[in-house]
Amino acid sequence: GENVEQHPSTLSVQEGDSAVIKCTYSDSASNYFPWYKQELGKRPQLIIDIRSNVGEKKDQRIAVTLNKTAKHFSLHITETQPEDSAVYFCAASNGPSGGQNFVFGPGTRLSVLP
Amino acid sequence: DTGVSQDPRHKITKRGQNVTFRCDPISEHNRLYWYRQTLGQGPEFLTYFQNEAQLEKSRLLSDRFSAERPKGSFSTLEIQRTEQGDSAMYLCASSLLALGSQETQYFGPGTRLLVL
Repeated sequence: GENVEQHPSTLSVQEGDSAVIKCTYSDSASNYFPWYKQELGKRPQLIIDIRSNVGEKKDQRIAVTLNKTAKHFSLHITETQPEDSAVYFCAASNGPSGGQNFVFGPGTRLSVLP
Repeated sequence: DTGVSQDPRHKITKRGQNVTFRCDPISEHNRLYWYRQTLGQGPEFLTYFQNEAQLEKSRLLSDRFSAERPKGSFSTLEIQRTEQGDSAMYLCASSLLALGSQETQYFGPGTRLLVL
C-alpha cells in the first residue's frame, strides 16, 4: 500500500521568510496530492491540491510542486505570517478508489516567529 | 465552515463502556470517511462509505468498531468495550465522487474520545 513520509516534522521560520515542507510517496499510481492545514483543536482544512497532470500550482502565497519521477511533492509558503502557524499534512491518493489509498503524512508543525 | 458536523465534540467514558459518534456530511456528498487521529500524527483511515455501502475497512479496525450509514446520509461509528488505547480524535470527512472530477475531502470538527 501507499506510504507517505513528510519532512521536517517541525519547522520554525521568521515572519516574512519562506517555508518549505516536502513529502514523498511510494505508490506510483497516486495521482492526487492535497495539503491540509490544521490549527490547534480545529479540523484539517484543505489549502491547496495538485493533480499528477501538472507540475506546479500556485494560490497567492502558497504553491505546491510535484515531481512524479522522484515521487515527491512540496508545499511552499512565501512571506509567512504568524497566522500560518499550524500543523500541515500532505496526503496522496490514487484517485476515485479512495479508502486506504487516501494516505496522510505524519504532519509538520510550522511556527512563524514574529 | 465546511458543513460537516460531528456529535458529540467530546466524550469521556470508562474502559469497557460502549460509545457512539455521529457524523452529518455535506448534504450532496456521496462519500463519507472515518479517520482516527492521535496527538502528533496525521489522520489514519478507518473506513468509508459510498452512499449507504461500506466499501472498505482498515486492517487496523478491530471487531469492536462498527460503522453504519443506513440511508446514505449521516453515519455512526460505534466502539464497543472501549479500551484506553481507543483514546483519540475521531474525524469524519465527506466528499463528492463525480465523473470527471477529483474528489476532495472536507473534514468535520472531530469527536475527541478519552477512555479512563
